[in-house]
Amino acid sequence: GQNIDQPTEMTATEGAIVQINCTYQTSGFNGLFWYQQHAGEAPTFLSYNVLDGLEEKGRFSSFLSRSKGYSYLLLKELQMKDSASYLCAVRDPNDYKLSFGAGTTVTVRA
Amino acid sequence: DGGITQSPKYLFRKEGQNVTLSCEQNLNHDAMYWYRQDPGQGLRLIYYSQIVNDFQKGDIAEGYSVSREKKESFPLTVTSAQKNPTAFYLCASSMNTGGLAKNIQYFGAGTRLSVL
Repeated sequence: GQNIDQPTEMTATEGAIVQINCTYQTSGFNGLFWYQQHAGEAPTFLSYNVLDGLEEKGRFSSFLSRSKGYSYLLLKELQMKDSASYLCAVRDPNDYKLSFGAGTTVTVRA
Repeated sequence: DGGITQSPKYLFRKEGQNVTLSCEQNLNHDAMYWYRQDPGQGLRLIYYSQIVNDFQKGDIAEGYSVSREKKESFPLTVTSAQKNPTAFYLCASSMNTGGLAKNIQYFGAGTRLSVL
């Protein structure tokens, strides 16, 4: 089975840094994805980790530790437009299906 | 423009009625997926197809049906057997090139289904 946990909500101030954690217990692993979803819209791809370590892409970074079943998404220099839900998803190695966590709603305050 | 088109954006279903949600992609992707999203919950997989004329049930397939007659199209029918169909439905597609390739899933804009 797949079990993917994320915090439900986080609040941060404009210009600050927020770290969204994701822990997973899955029957297989072939990569971890982070998506951003604004209310009422489609999820959009942010980052992908398949090997341990940090992947940096502008203001967003994602980290993976496969031995710990743990990932985080780091959002730096927060902007109001970063207020959204952030979804963690793990891919099954056998059929490429994604299993999603419930998402973390980040609210950025001025 | 390349992308995934879902229609309609909003759909209303009467009791006992079957409704079909459209999903079309021009990204030349082999795989297509249907997800359901309820408030405060993550995406749950309904059906997926890795190749034309083949599809598999996801985690919550009961009350739904699909077809994959063309590479570009993967329509979802919500049947009268689905007793709680009100949700946001998302279609996605991806290349499935194997190994450690990203095979990113790209999503359509979604269809919001409500019961009258």
